[in-house]
Amino acid sequence: DTEVTQTPKHLVMGMTNKKSLKCEQHMGHRAMYWYKQKAKKPPELMFVYSYEKLSINESVPSRFSPECPNSSLLNLHLHALQPEDSALYLCASSQPGGSGNTIYFGEGSWLTVV
Amino acid sequence: AQKVTQAQTEISVVEKEDVTLDCVYETRDTTYYLFWYKQPPSGELVFLIRRNSFDEQNEISGRYSWNFQKSTSSFNFTITASQVVDSAVYFCALTLISGYSTLTFGKGTMLLVSP
Repeated sequence: DTEVTQTPKHLVMGMTNKKSLKCEQHMGHRAMYWYKQKAKKPPELMFVYSYEKLSINESVPSRFSPECPNSSLLNLHLHALQPEDSALYLCASSQPGGSGNTIYFGEGSWLTVV
Repeated sequence: AQKVTQAQTEISVVEKEDVTLDCVYETRDTTYYLFWYKQPPSGELVFLIRRNSFDEQNEISGRYSWNFQKSTSSFNFTITASQVVDSAVYFCALTLISGYSTLTFGKGTMLLVSP
């Protein structure tokens, strides 16, 4: 069983809605990530948090707003999304820094924007 | 910049066949890590293996084996006696030692194992 838990597993939202994706990890990791994955494509990095601070934002539109309340929780707040934002959103965690630390992924949240 | 190439988009085999998934990578760094992940239809990316650039030993784990060859910049993955449960998309990925542990993924290979 994965130790990175994501909720909800499925989310359908309208373009004017505000919703949030939640992620929790129980491995004591201090780096957490959001990836976006479209069908038949590899995951694309969106954000990296290291020690609860935003370290990388891969030029993601402001309608996606990440939040890291503590070292084990990561949220992705969604507002005014577009249908093309429909995708699988994967949360992940690892030990921070380099050294090729293994990144462990959750089961993902399937988002559909209507 | 790094690049990972998985030339095989889709492979179909019959159960009990052996299958090899190819991965070729490019990086100017001498120190890096390579990974394989499995993604079943449920969506979760399951970590399979991590190998650093200094360790060219092949590895075997049950029906899975990996062949790392720096001379050809390849990190191939073989499944012996494939099973239906092996059906998934498999991603090869690379990360550098420096900076954050961000992954450069290949485009993935979809493996379909039929009974």
